[in-house]
Amino acid sequence: KNEVEQSPQNLTAQEGEFITINCSYSVGISALHWLQQHPGGGIVSLFMLSSGKKKHGRLIATINIQEKHSSLHITASHPRDSAVYICAVKGRSQGNLIFGKGTKLSVKP
Amino acid sequence: SQTIHQWPATLVQPVGSPLSLECTVEGTSNPNLYWYRQAAGRGLQLLFYSVGIGQISSEVPQNLSASRPQDRQFILSSKKLLLSDSGFYLCAWSLVSGGYTFGSGTRLTVV
Repeated sequence: KNEVEQSPQNLTAQEGEFITINCSYSVGISALHWLQQHPGGGIVSLFMLSSGKKKHGRLIATINIQEKHSSLHITASHPRDSAVYICAVKGRSQGNLIFGKGTKLSVKP
Repeated sequence: SQTIHQWPATLVQPVGSPLSLECTVEGTSNPNLYWYRQAAGRGLQLLFYSVGIGQISSEVPQNLSASRPQDRQFILSSKKLLLSDSGFYLCAWSLVSGGYTFGSGTRLTVV
C-alpha cells in the first residue's frame, strides 16, 4: 500500500463545476503539499499545509491531521485548470517528499 | 529571487549512452537538493538528495549517480543508460521553512 493515496485517479468535469480531489496518507507528517503538473511536465507548488485550511483564488486546500486526510477543491472550474494534481507529504523525520500518483483533471468547455 | 534551472527539457538517448542532467539554483545558499523520477503511470520517486557539497544520499539502487560539485549545482549522471531509465526527471530544492521549489523537469526517452 502506498503511503500517499489520491482519489480519484482521473476526473472529467464540465466548466463551472465544483471539483474535489482527495488525499490520504499513512505516515506522520510535518507538512502536506498540493502541486500542479501541466502537460509539459513542469510542477508548480499550490499549497503547503500543516493544519486547517488555505485559499488562493478559486483553489481551497484543507487538511485534517487526526484523520490523515486532505482535500483540494476548485470552485468554478475552467478548462485551464486541466492538469495533474499531486499530493505530497513531508514526513516528520525526512527532508524529502513522498508523492501520490496524482489525479488527472480534465475540464471540458 | 529564488529560482531553479534544469536542463535539458527533453532528451532522446540510445541504450548504453551516458547521461548528464544538470540543475542549478539561485537566490539561496546551502539548499537541500533532490532528484526525483516519474516513470510512466507512477508517482514521483526520490532518487538522490544532498544536504551539502559532496554529500549525496541514494534512495533507490540503480545505474544512476548524482554529484554536487558546487553548493548550488546538482548533477544526475549515468555511464550507460537502460531502457528502464526512461521517464521524467525533476530537480527540487527545499527551504528551511519547508517549502519546495521545482525545476521544469527533463523528459528522457531511452531508445
